[in-house]
Amino acid sequence: AQKVTQAQTEISVVEKEDVTLDCVYETRDTTYYLFWYKQPPSGELVFLIRRNSFDEQNEISGRYSWNFQKSTSSFNFTITASQVVDSAVYFCALSEASDTGRRALTFGSGTRLQVQP
Amino acid sequence: GAGVSQSPRYKVAKRGQDVALRCDPISGHVSLFWYQQALGQGPEFLTYFQNEAQLDKSGLPSDRFFAERPEGSVSTLKIQRTQQEDSAVYLCASSPWVSGELFFGEGSRLTVL
Repeated sequence: AQKVTQAQTEISVVEKEDVTLDCVYETRDTTYYLFWYKQPPSGELVFLIRRNSFDEQNEISGRYSWNFQKSTSSFNFTITASQVVDSAVYFCALSEASDTGRRALTFGSGTRLQVQP
Repeated sequence: GAGVSQSPRYKVAKRGQDVALRCDPISGHVSLFWYQQALGQGPEFLTYFQNEAQLDKSGLPSDRFFAERPEGSVSTLKIQRTQQEDSAVYLCASSPWVSGELFFGEGSRLTVL
């Protein structure tokens, strides 16, 4: 069974602070994908990143960076110089990589990030 | 628009009523998923279509839930004899190919009184 744990329910920071959102996962699959999604108040889940389990290189995209550590089953997400527009609920998710017809994402419970001006 | 469209955005139903939620995926997208998101929780998988074939319905919580995608595009999630525990946001997502990125709609918020 797959499981994703986001232990931080809510984080509040002041604008321009850096913030890291934690994600720990469990899976028996040897190949899998990890994701981060952003859910603003409008409700639509916005895709941020997908990582293959074979690719442990960290990734940076503008103010966003991701740290994938297979040894600790973690896929943490850091926002540098946070902005008010970053306020949202962020979800980490996991799916198997092989196509068996079921490619459902298993989501964590989410971390609500509030960035205060 | 070019995104995934869901309707209605909000639905209030009396307990025992049947409801139907519609999803218009992005044109040409092969894969379509339905998820259920309870308040304060992450989305939970309900069912998956590849074109018109429903390949996985293991997440449907009971036989009161039924989904279809008869022509491989628009999908409808039907809930019969709604119960209060069915209150949630129902999210639809589509993908251009089997292993592609998922694009989510804004969801249909169902409240059962």
